Amino acid sequence: ETGVTQTPRHLVMGMTNKKSLKCEQHLGHNAMYWYKQSAKKPLELMFVYNFKEQTENNSVPSRFSPECPNSSHLFLHLHTLQPEDSALYLCASSQDGGRWQPQHFGDGTRLSIL
Amino acid sequence: AQTVTQSQPEMSVQEAETVTLSCTYDTSESDYYLFWYKQPPSRQMILVIRQEAYKQQNATENRFSVNFQKAAKSFSLKISDSQLGDAAMYFCAYRSAYETSGSRLTFGEGTQLTVNP
Repeated sequence: ETGVTQTPRHLVMGMTNKKSLKCEQHLGHNAMYWYKQSAKKPLELMFVYNFKEQTENNSVPSRFSPECPNSSHLFLHLHTLQPEDSALYLCASSQDGGRWQPQHFGDGTRLSIL
Repeated sequence: AQTVTQSQPEMSVQEAETVTLSCTYDTSESDYYLFWYKQPPSRQMILVIRQEAYKQQNATENRFSVNFQKAAKSFSLKISDSQLGDAAMYFCAYRSAYETSGSRLTFGEGTQLTVNP
């Protein structure tokens, strides 16, 4: 148990569907992240939120829409996805401001686009 | 931009033996952090060990140790007395010490470690 919970664990959706991924952290951290993990590729950072404010959007297509209502919750809203969006989506959190704060990851959501 | 390279897509080791996973990185910065994460089939990314660039002493965590060569930009992970539970994908990651708003991690491609009984 890392203190970062992601739901759902698996998601299968059609290209025209709208769904959301949820991440919740119980560690009191102030920064949260979305990563995409595709087969045979390094983890790709998608979004960074610090104190609920988005501080980085790593050239992610607009069909991915993040939302961070508070420092403990992070959502990734999905719509009109493409088959190449099938991947493992990982959420992470950290306590920033200090020099030595690693990121803690959730178990991920395995997303399959039909 | 920083890059992280893991040149070994797959490695295998016999139980109780020692294995070393390689990682090299490219950066123009002088202050940064390096991490090794482990991802077992359960998918959870687990921090194994971390190193601060300005510390010359190599980090050690029980059976895990690193060989940090700053001039060579090399950060290898040594696993001693390998156990079946060590089988996982291992990722090397870099983080700049100069970021103040959210810590961007740059990951390598990963090394799949198999432990043979």
